[in-house]
Amino acid sequence: NAGVTQTPKFQVLKTGQSMTLQCAQDMNHEYMSWYRQDPGMGLRLIHYSVGAGITDQGEVPNGYNVSRSTTEDFPLRLLSAAPSQTSVYFCASSLLSRGRTTEAFFGQGTRLTVV
Amino acid sequence: GDSVTQMEGPVTLSEEACLTINCTYTATGYPSLFWYVQYPGEGLQLLLKATKADDKGSNKGFEATYRKETTSFHLEKGSVQVSDSAVYFCASYSGTYKYIFGTGTRLKVLA
Repeated sequence: NAGVTQTPKFQVLKTGQSMTLQCAQDMNHEYMSWYRQDPGMGLRLIHYSVGAGITDQGEVPNGYNVSRSTTEDFPLRLLSAAPSQTSVYFCASSLLSRGRTTEAFFGQGTRLTVV
Repeated sequence: GDSVTQMEGPVTLSEEACLTINCTYTATGYPSLFWYVQYPGEGLQLLLKATKADDKGSNKGFEATYRKETTSFHLEKGSVQVSDSAVYFCASYSGTYKYIFGTGTRLKVLA
């Protein structure tokens, strides 16, 4: 069981470039989310989805887009990379039951550097 | 809004010492509470959880009790090992589709 798979693991971008971070889960989880992890700030929610075709903003959505065309995939797009987006990005998924989630399962992370 | 506050690290202990990492929360309802652990270069893994007041979560020798009266969920272990060296995150979930994480506490255990 692969769980949550993120690609790539490492990426270096130039300012202004765009790219997509991939996230896939094979657990049939309705809920998927993207976080960024920065020193001293813990994990901050960027975007989340409660099912195919449904997405919503988290705490720090500016500069990022998401879509959810299938239950399995939840890509995160950086529209025009900025140095402030240098961070480690985590994708997470969980089951939804009557509007409540169970524990979240995390991917291995993508370390992004914007120069 | 909801928030989670945990003690700042790093925490450095000798092997077999006792560990306590404090965590308090604020929430409008009755959240579920979690402790996650992150080993170097990896994602977060669930360590333990509690879903209602007075529940005790436990795993791998770690324990935490959901204390509604003090809004706390402190992580404890009686005897730490070098392999416990990691970053520990306290988190809450109140049913709004948003997990709230603390800033993380780095634990270093010396042999």
